[in-house]
Amino acid sequence: DAMVIQNPRYQVTQFGKPVTLSCSQTLNHNVMYWYQQKSSQAPKLLFHYYDKDFNNEADTPDNFQSRRPNTSFCFLDIRSPGLGDAAMYLCATSRDVGGRWSPLHFGNGTRLTVT
Amino acid sequence: GQNIDQPTEMTATEGAIVQINCTYQTSGFNGLFWYQQHAGEAPTFLSYNVLDGLEEKGRFSSFLSRSKGYSYLLLKELQMKDSASYLCAVEDSNYQLIWGAGTKLIIKP
Repeated sequence: DAMVIQNPRYQVTQFGKPVTLSCSQTLNHNVMYWYQQKSSQAPKLLFHYYDKDFNNEADTPDNFQSRRPNTSFCFLDIRSPGLGDAAMYLCATSRDVGGRWSPLHFGNGTRLTVT
Repeated sequence: GQNIDQPTEMTATEGAIVQINCTYQTSGFNGLFWYQQHAGEAPTFLSYNVLDGLEEKGRFSSFLSRSKGYSYLLLKELQMKDSASYLCAVEDSNYQLIWGAGTKLIIKP
């Protein structure tokens, strides 16, 4: 089945220790997104890629970086995690169909704990 | 600013009907989405409305009134597995998705 896969499902890191979250997709979608979601809150968009074009949200901290080496893979790097970065990180994809709507397909998420 | 409002929590009984409301104020409108999110899991797509009226899909229906900035998600014949958060999201004129915080639906036997 075509899908969006995130690894790991749970990640524990120490305060200030860099961590990388990964996402892969077999849907061949050209748009990929990283969202941060804290408990009982709306998902917050951190970045998105339209093909190789990187789009950073204005309020995404510099501590967060992203890479998309090819269509299938996308990575989220947190350079120096703080306690406030503990959250669920969601990767999503969508297909740009020239103005027609396309729903987001989410991975299962990575729950990050910072100790 | 842009805003999506949904009730924080609702409770309903198994087998009953529940309506979850969503009101929005956004910079333009290109469509409204409803997603279901079980605890600890990722959101999954439920419905999309861009024109006024009701879209029905099995036990779930979604309604939109663009003039009122209002939508609702109607769930019929509730089952225990419907216990989840329901997120309303609006795509604005810049094709940015504005998300609500979600409505946690608790189903009781």
